[in-house]
Amino acid sequence: NAGVTQTPKFQVLKTGQSMTLQCAQDMNHNSMYWYRQDPGMGLRLIYYSASEGTTDKGEVPNGYNVSRLNKREFSLRLESAAPSQTSVYFCASSEWNRGRGAFFGQGTRLTVV
Amino acid sequence: ILNVEQSPQSLHVQEGDSTNFTCSFPSSNFYALHWYRWETAKSPEALFVMTLNGDEKKKGRISATLNTKEGYSYLYIKGSQPEDSATYLCAGPGGGGGADGLTFGKGTHLIIQP
Repeated sequence: NAGVTQTPKFQVLKTGQSMTLQCAQDMNHNSMYWYRQDPGMGLRLIYYSASEGTTDKGEVPNGYNVSRLNKREFSLRLESAAPSQTSVYFCASSEWNRGRGAFFGQGTRLTVV
Repeated sequence: ILNVEQSPQSLHVQEGDSTNFTCSFPSSNFYALHWYRWETAKSPEALFVMTLNGDEKKKGRISATLNTKEGYSYLYIKGSQPEDSATYLCAGPGGGGGADGLTFGKGTHLIIQP
């Protein structure tokens, strides 16, 4: 049982380049999330998807787009990367009525130069 | 966006001592309160999900209590061990209910000194 799988684990981009971070979960969860982690800022919510076919903005959505491709997969796209998007990105999933909290992927360390 | 605050920001505790720290959150529109443990170079792992006022949950030497009327939760660690060193996060879903994304506090960084 893999849980939440994120790819890639590391990425270096030049300013202006685009890329998509992939996330997949095998726990049949309805809800999926993207967070970024920055020193001193904790985990901040970028976008979330409460169920297949829906997406909503979180605290820091500017510069990002998301796609809930199906129940398993939730991708995060940076259309034109900026140095301010250098961060560690975490994908997570959960099923609230099971009361077990969110499961996190291993993170993607992204550097924009 | 839910405003979740944690204190203290960091804590040094001698091995064998017990400790506790606090999570504060708005008491209105409460849905749930989560606690996570985050070890360096790993991903956050859920410890507890608490929903009812007066809830108390326990996992080994770690326990948590919840007061939804006054908007706080305590996490307790009894007889601290070096492997308890981690950042402990609390979080709550947004006002739309449990499926909203969690808003996290900035965490309490716990260091256990041998």
